[in-house]
Amino acid sequence: GQQVMQIPQYQHVQEGEDFTTYCNSSTTLSNIQWYKQRPGGHPVFLIQLVKSGEVKKQKRLTFQFGEAKKNSSLHITATQTTDVGTYFCADLYNFNKFYFGSGTKLNVKP
Amino acid sequence: ETGVTQTPRHLVMGMTNKKSLKCEQHLGHNAMYWYKQSAKKPLELMFVYNFKEQTENNSVPSRFSPECPNSSHLFLHLHTLQPEDSALYLCASSYTAGTGGYEQYFGPGTRLTVT
Repeated sequence: GQQVMQIPQYQHVQEGEDFTTYCNSSTTLSNIQWYKQRPGGHPVFLIQLVKSGEVKKQKRLTFQFGEAKKNSSLHITATQTTDVGTYFCADLYNFNKFYFGSGTKLNVKP
Repeated sequence: ETGVTQTPRHLVMGMTNKKSLKCEQHLGHNAMYWYKQSAKKPLELMFVYNFKEQTENNSVPSRFSPECPNSSHLFLHLHTLQPEDSALYLCASSYTAGTGGYEQYFGPGTRLTVT
């Protein structure tokens, strides 16, 4: 079945440092969605990427979709303590089937 | 916040019990989903319903039985569960449209403990 690998599993940064999580697949990804789950919370949708090479920005967050549509990344510039949580990528496959990556847990030290 | 509610929020049940989880969405979406989230595994898609019809059963054991009476309500009936079924069960909803889908809105989840 479809497998979406996400790295790193954990990331500890000092507040103000940058952070990046990567989502990789051996097969072509359909549509990539990114979600954030705060500790004790539920996943919340951040963004969807559809086109090859697409780049989208949300304030300090930059999302990229690889040219070959086999990888995606989320980059946070100058992390803040409010960025703490687990970030998941998900491949939307066959219009209503989602394969989630294992997530990257981000901890930000003040 | 999300428009997707789940009850109960916490559930402790024995292996011989029968219980049900309930999910309701107030967003007008046509698709609803059940996920299992455990400490060691990523979000595992269990079931998908599209316009009340089940379109996905991701090899889920028969001790989990979903029910979708309409596009706004989704149930997960549980019976003779195992301790390894202890996890956070998340419900989600979304629009679906042809070859492209839309973002999922998740409920707060039910924290299930099987003793």
